[in-house]
Amino acid sequence: GQQVMQIPQYQHVQEGEDFTTYCNSSTTLSNIQWYKQRPGGHPVFLIQLVKSGEVKKQKRLTFQFGEAKKNSSLHITATQTTDVGTYFCAGRDFGNEKLTFGTGTRLTIIP
Amino acid sequence: DAGITQSPRHKVTETGTPVTLRCHQTENHRYMYWYRQDPGHGLRLIHYSYGVKDTDKGEVSDGYSVSRSKTEDFLLTLESATSSQTSVYFCAISESGPRRQGRDTQYFGPGTRLTVL
Repeated sequence: GQQVMQIPQYQHVQEGEDFTTYCNSSTTLSNIQWYKQRPGGHPVFLIQLVKSGEVKKQKRLTFQFGEAKKNSSLHITATQTTDVGTYFCAGRDFGNEKLTFGTGTRLTIIP
Repeated sequence: DAGITQSPRHKVTETGTPVTLRCHQTENHRYMYWYRQDPGHGLRLIHYSYGVKDTDKGEVSDGYSVSRSKTEDFLLTLESATSSQTSVYFCAISESGPRRQGRDTQYFGPGTRLTVL
């Protein structure tokens, strides 16, 4: 079945440094979604990417969808303490249409 | 936040007892989902519903059953709880399903922390 892997599992950065998490699917995706979960909270939808090679920005966050629609990345520029949390990708399989969540990347900010 | 509530928010129970978790939405969304979240596994789909009385299994459905008798309510039942079912359970809703891109994004409830002793 479809597998969605995220790396790294954990990332500790100094405040102000950049952060990137990568998402890789074993199958081709029709779309990919990104969610953020604050400590003790619930996942919150951030964005959806649909097109091959698509790049979307939300303030300091940049999301990319790979040309082959099998990978994606989230890059945060100049991290702030409000960025703390776990970031999940969720890939929609092109064939069976199932949505599979990645294992997440937990971001910790060192003030 | 979307209008989604889960009850109870916390529960401690003993092995072998039945447990029912409730998800209630006020958004009139067609799709509802139950996930469990465990360290190192992310979010795993247990069951989902695509309409009243229409449900299907997810990737980790063994030991769980669901029911949806009304659009707004989706119940998750553990017939005989086991320690391996200790987890945080999230309910989610979406306006539409996989073929309506842009309307298949999911909105999550606050979660239920279940401990099975």
